[in-house]
Amino acid sequence: LAKTTQPISMDSYEGQEVNITCSHNNIATNDYITWYQQFPSQGPRFIIQGYKTKVTNEVASLFIPADRKSSTLSLPRVSLSDTAVYYCLVVRGGSGGYNKLIFGAGTRLAVHP
Amino acid sequence: DVKVTQSSRYLVKRTGEKVFLECVQDMDHENMFWYRQDPGLGLRLIYFSYDVKMKEKGDIPEGYSVSREKKERFSLILESASTNQTSMYLCASSLEREGYEQYFGPGTRLTVT
Repeated sequence: LAKTTQPISMDSYEGQEVNITCSHNNIATNDYITWYQQFPSQGPRFIIQGYKTKVTNEVASLFIPADRKSSTLSLPRVSLSDTAVYYCLVVRGGSGGYNKLIFGAGTRLAVHP
Repeated sequence: DVKVTQSSRYLVKRTGEKVFLECVQDMDHENMFWYRQDPGLGLRLIYFSYDVKMKEKGDIPEGYSVSREKKERFSLILESASTNQTSMYLCASSLEREGYEQYFGPGTRLTVT
């Protein structure tokens, strides 16, 4: 599976838009990009998944350029409650079997008042 | 609202004790997973199960066993707890066998003294 690289930490302020970029240079044709969020002392929570172009849900948007070697998670107008660790994962699709979810160190986002 | 519950949030056990960690999901998912999360090591898969009475070893199964007698319940068993099994244990379930979107429980922080 493609290795992912993302910033270790980011800081932002309430009301700002936050963009977290993840690189996955060796992504394969049938790989999907998936993002999870984890609050302290809780399990990770699925945020969004995409294959190409743009995906949007009620929580975030995911932008994936044509070459798919990177992706950007966009959180609109963050609040203090968005302070968490965000993980970018590459998941292989269509295999019919279990995909090992590899959670790296993630990006620690701190939102300040 | 989907839900994965774990029997305890915090647990303290003595070395050599047999420890049972219970996980229940109410989403009728066939696929369930047990992970441990340690600082600097991310989440590591211990065991997973595709169906009742089925189990597969993950990356670090040594010292652990599992039981899946009912679809909604997946138990992790530490046969003889050791101090190096002190960790945060996370249970998850998913609808797809590929495990793209996993729903995690709140975690059990186990301390073995």
